[in-house]
Amino acid sequence: AQSVAQPEDQVNVAEGNPLTVKCTYSVSGNPYLFWYVQYPNRGLQFLLKYITGDNLVKGSYGFEAEFNKSQTSFHLKKPSALVSDSALYFCAVRRVEDTDKLIFGTGTRLQVFP
Amino acid sequence: DAGVIQSPRHEVTEMGQEVTLRCKPISGHNSLFWYRQTMMRGLELLIYFNNNVPIDDSGMPEDRFSAKMPNASFSTLKIQPSEPRDSAVYFCASSKGNEQFFGPGTRLTVL
Repeated sequence: AQSVAQPEDQVNVAEGNPLTVKCTYSVSGNPYLFWYVQYPNRGLQFLLKYITGDNLVKGSYGFEAEFNKSQTSFHLKKPSALVSDSALYFCAVRRVEDTDKLIFGTGTRLQVFP
Repeated sequence: DAGVIQSPRHEVTEMGQEVTLRCKPISGHNSLFWYRQTMMRGLELLIYFNNNVPIDDSGMPEDRFSAKMPNASFSTLKIQPSEPRDSAVYFCASSKGNEQFFGPGTRLTVL
């Protein structure tokens, strides 16, 4: 069975510092991996995805994520956090062979302090 | 592109009433998903359609919930009768292969 783990319910970081939001996955076969962000009272917005190729993926708003097959991880990173990055972040996975259904993690709330 | 459209944005109803949520996916997308989000249970997939056909409804909580997709541009999620524990934000999303695009959600409150 496929699954996604986001081990931290909340991550706190000071503005200007680097941030990391962790995600590990379990899937048989090759994975497609995604990050979404949810701002208050909004739907989820797509940030970035890993399909194939370069393990370092760059996405919207300066975010990037690194696919690590040996550690089955896909951590979200940003070199310098902004207060406006404060939101709920979801990691998701699907198998290459499957249809469009995504398995979402439980979400990590990122709080960036000025 | 207008994105995924959901209506109503807010719904307040009394226990026992029928509730119908509506979704218009992005044109050209062939998969549609209904999710429910609560503080207690997080984001849950209720049902998804591919080419208007229900593929996986294992997340539908009980028979009070039903979903239809009569054509490629419209889907409904119905709750009959509604209960207070159905209070949540319901999201519709669509895709055509990889990433899903979410609508703004319908906030349902059942009194």
